[in-house]
Amino acid sequence: EPEVTQTPSHQVTQMGQEVILRCVPISNHLYFYWYRQILGQKVEFLVSFYNNEISEKSEIFDDQFSVERPDGSNFTLKIRSTKLEDSAMYFCASSEVQGHQPQHFGDGTRLSIL
Amino acid sequence: EDQVTQSPEALRLQEGESSSLNCSYTVSGLRGLFWYRQDPGKGPEFLFTLYSAGEEKEKERLKATLTKKESFLHITAPKPEDSATYLCAVQEGAGFQKLVFGTGTRLLVSP
Repeated sequence: EPEVTQTPSHQVTQMGQEVILRCVPISNHLYFYWYRQILGQKVEFLVSFYNNEISEKSEIFDDQFSVERPDGSNFTLKIRSTKLEDSAMYFCASSEVQGHQPQHFGDGTRLSIL
Repeated sequence: EDQVTQSPEALRLQEGESSSLNCSYTVSGLRGLFWYRQDPGKGPEFLFTLYSAGEEKEKERLKATLTKKESFLHITAPKPEDSATYLCAVQEGAGFQKLVFGTGTRLLVSP
């Protein structure tokens, strides 16, 4: 069964450094998403991406964050000048089309900021 | 104000003891309500989508139902492997893709 894959599974970074989280969405999917889950809290939406541009973003997704689809298979989340509060699980998801089609999630990258 | 509220926060069942999880929501123009299962250290795994009040979906021991204000996930004769956190998420309005999640119900099924 096709799945969303994320790398690395765990990333440890010094505060202030830049980090790039990588995702390979399901191959025939057109919409891509990033969510995060701080330990013990809800899964929170960050951004959605379609046709090489951001289609929706949350208040969390400020200038510190950026997304990119550098080639036909990868989808990346870049976090600049990381802060302690950026420590969380980051999940990538993808869906076939917009709307009420299910979003399928990867197993996440655990980001630890020291 | 929370748009999605799940209850109970945690539920402990004996194997074979049926029960229901609740997800209440307050969004205008519900586009879809989604149930996911999340195992420790893993991402949410899609279970069901419900679109309109009165709709029901079933998969093995799970059955999801939807009203205009809430959804229930019924678990019939659960097994230990059903132990997980069950997440409810809603998608609202036209043109919005984001899922708004509840905090989940942690289910533990003892043999």
